[in-house]
Amino acid sequence: ILNVEQSPQSLHVQEGDSTNFTCSFPSSNFYALHWYRWETAKSPEALFVMTLNGDEKKKGRISATLNTKEGYSYLYIKGSQPEDSATYLCALRSGSARQLTFGSGTQLTVLP
Amino acid sequence: DAGVIQSPRHEVTEMGQEVTLRCKPISGHNSLFWYRQTMMRGLELLIYFNNNVPIDDSGMPEDRFSAKMPNASFSTLKIQPSEPRDSAVYFCASRPTGFSTDTQYFGPGTRLTVL
Repeated sequence: ILNVEQSPQSLHVQEGDSTNFTCSFPSSNFYALHWYRWETAKSPEALFVMTLNGDEKKKGRISATLNTKEGYSYLYIKGSQPEDSATYLCALRSGSARQLTFGSGTQLTVLP
Repeated sequence: DAGVIQSPRHEVTEMGQEVTLRCKPISGHNSLFWYRQTMMRGLELLIYFNNNVPIDDSGMPEDRFSAKMPNASFSTLKIQPSEPRDSAVYFCASRPTGFSTDTQYFGPGTRLTVL
């Protein structure tokens, strides 16, 4: 069983603040790391897929970095807006497995 | 494309009843996944299919749960008999063909309440 951990579990920030959170995973047999955004009452939507050590992906105000050697990924949100409020999930694909193992998520609330 | 379609969106049933959840994956996707989301355990994989064949069902809680994929466009998850602890949101996701493209596309989920 793969252990994918996310921290913090929940986070409240003020509108305009920048924030970041962490996904930790076993570094052995790494294949890919996914980030999903999950709004309340909706389904998870893919943000990024990262495969290479040192990868950095960006979509608007959201970006992510990957360190496969030490087994972590950071998700950054610059200038948070209330519409960024959601749970952010990371998911690991490892070795030859074709399924993803999800972390428990970081629940972000951006206060206006 | 309509995306992954799940039905029903909400289901309320009594303990002991049979429950069938349905999923239609995105056309052309060859992998299908069933997940259960609870407060205690988060998003956990129950079973997944590749080309309609079950590949890994190690996440299925017990014999009361069964899943089928009779063709590329339809899958069911059945719980018989249902119990209150089965109450959760059940998600179906599909993934396109191709070894490198493992982004999964999720359906809207079925919220199951067993009384």
